[in-house]
Amino acid sequence: DAGVIQSPRHEVTEMGQEVTLRCKPISGHDYLFWYRQTMMRGLELLIYFNNNVPIDDSGMPEDRFSAKMPNASFSTLKIQPSEPRDSAVYFCASSPYTGLSEKLFFGSGTQLSVL
Amino acid sequence: DAKTTQPPSMDCAEGRAANLPCNHSTISGNEYVYWYRQIHSQGPQYIIHGLKNNETNEMASLIITEDRKSSTLILPHATLRDTAVYYCIVSAEDAGNMLTFGGGTRLMVKP
Repeated sequence: DAGVIQSPRHEVTEMGQEVTLRCKPISGHDYLFWYRQTMMRGLELLIYFNNNVPIDDSGMPEDRFSAKMPNASFSTLKIQPSEPRDSAVYFCASSPYTGLSEKLFFGSGTQLSVL
Repeated sequence: DAKTTQPPSMDCAEGRAANLPCNHSTISGNEYVYWYRQIHSQGPQYIIHGLKNNETNEMASLIITEDRKSSTLILPHATLRDTAVYYCIVSAEDAGNMLTFGGGTRLMVKP
């Protein structure tokens, strides 16, 4: 299995632009997570899905952030409009378990820089 | 509230055992102890988890004290590639797979 695949690997954009991050989870995994990592705040859970349905989005910082999972093999995290403080590494992770054993498989992340 | 406490950094000599401590004095009966690590520029990687018994797999061993208030992750023969940030996390089985990462321990394996 190729693991969790994220794209792009790096994204540089200007303030005010729309940014879309993409994730393909491991086939057969029921859960999908979006995390954000910064030096100041560490790894933060933004939102997670179970069987394509958003379960908890309390970590999404503002209405500028939105996430979708149109099918079991694809998810997007969109920031519109982007701001410099959104600069971070965004990780997607998936999990095959339904509660017991939080064994998450992480992608390589998207390094986002908003100028 | 931080559920776990870990030293911010540790050094270990290559080939020696690395013992990474974690304090989780407020752990509940239904909470598991998980360990992940993050090598520079990569996503976190699952290492091991346990409830109350000691656990061992191909990567590491997990020793949980009898009162479950602390645990130790053991890398038996550390290599340079084990240099990473190690995260100790407690999570209930009904937490919906929501893992909260703290600051972790930055382990530096030196030749």
